[in-house]
Amino acid sequence: KNEVEQSPQNLTAQEGEFITINCSYSVGISALHWLQQHPGGGIVSLFMLSSGKKKHGRLIATINIQEKHSSLHITASHPRDSAVYICAAHHNTDKLIFGTGTRLQVFP
Amino acid sequence: GAVVSQHPSRVICKSGTSVKIECRSLDFQATTMFWYRQFPKQSLMLMATSNEGSKATYEQGVEKDKFLINHASLTLSTLTVTSAHPEDSSFYICSARDQGGNSPLHFGNGTRLTVT
Repeated sequence: KNEVEQSPQNLTAQEGEFITINCSYSVGISALHWLQQHPGGGIVSLFMLSSGKKKHGRLIATINIQEKHSSLHITASHPRDSAVYICAAHHNTDKLIFGTGTRLQVFP
Repeated sequence: GAVVSQHPSRVICKSGTSVKIECRSLDFQATTMFWYRQFPKQSLMLMATSNEGSKATYEQGVEKDKFLINHASLTLSTLTVTSAHPEDSSFYICSARDQGGNSPLHFGNGTRLTVT
């Protein structure tokens, strides 16, 4: 069993839909990242959070430390949101443990 | 703009040759950089942690003589794939963190290596 699990693995949506991607982890963490990887491979760090909730534009990330669970929400999804979304946990050091990613496709 | 620059973005080389990949932090100093490898449709796998002025720390199963890491300055780490084989073909990506425990990680755009 992976220490960081994501669901779903693949997700398709129509433009405008509300999207949720889930991440569960089984290790103690100091922080959790949500990353976005575009088809070309480049990775952008969307959020780093250790508690509560963060919002940036149409993206919202939440984390529940007690339940060891985090979610990434995308409101009013758009085709340009199509990418692989990866959660990654800081396991008490600077090393990251990566989830397997969620491949999102948003159709017009 | 990008705060971590990785070069080259793509490289094709012949078996037996060596390839050097550079990772630069552009507007901050990074005492630690990380090198990852990603196979198609899989997640990133940490290969090694590059420490400025000291030896890199390699993850289990990663050959240090095969993947040479040098972190000669606070803004540059290099990964050299020595005597490359087709099975080394992969996507390599680096990340760096600005000094300060709560600063976000910045990733390079990756290098797609193809060994023929």
